[in-house]
Amino acid sequence: AQSVTQPDIHITVSEGASLELRCNYSYGATPYLFWYVQSPGQGLQLLLKYFSGDTLVQGIKGFEAEFKRSQSSFNLRKPSVHWSDAAEYFCAVGDSNYQLIWGAGTKLIIKP
Amino acid sequence: DTEVTQTPKHLVMGMTNKKSLKCEQHMGHRAMYWYKQKAKKPPELMFVYSYEKLSINESVPSRFSPECPNSSLLNLHLHALQPEDSALYLCASSFGGGTDNEQFFGPGTRLTVL
Repeated sequence: AQSVTQPDIHITVSEGASLELRCNYSYGATPYLFWYVQSPGQGLQLLLKYFSGDTLVQGIKGFEAEFKRSQSSFNLRKPSVHWSDAAEYFCAVGDSNYQLIWGAGTKLIIKP
Repeated sequence: DTEVTQTPKHLVMGMTNKKSLKCEQHMGHRAMYWYKQKAKKPPELMFVYSYEKLSINESVPSRFSPECPNSSLLNLHLHALQPEDSALYLCASSFGGGTDNEQFFGPGTRLTVL
């Protein structure tokens, strides 16, 4: 069955430190992958997406993600986090018929 | 304009009330979505409209009634809700519905049912 796994329910990182959020997927065909961010009480904002081509994709707010087909992963990275990055992060894979298959989310906590 | 707007931002209603949530986009998207999101969970798809026709209804109770008056507007009519329906209701839109469908989300309506 198609699925997306975000192994970390929450991650705590010091401000200025680097960040990596993990995402693993199980999908039968070529995946179309997304990372969304949700600040408290807000809607979801697309950070970046991977459809094809270069496996390292750049997104907004200084985020990037690397698609690794051999590991079925699409991990999100940022070299230096800011307090404003504290939020919930969702990885998703596009399925047919309007569906997005969502991971459970990872809550990012920033230590001052 | 790359925005999806939703009104109201917050709504408190009793179990006997009738209310409506509204969503609007002007990006020329032909698919529009309603999601329900509980705290600390990913969004759950409720309805999809494609070219103003209801395309998907994820077995949502009839106390939720969607409406798509035109390609830019989406409503969700609420009647006789239960306290467990309290949640963040998100609207989204996309160009199409294939596997590459990048969905744009609104800020949501925080609904509390008393």
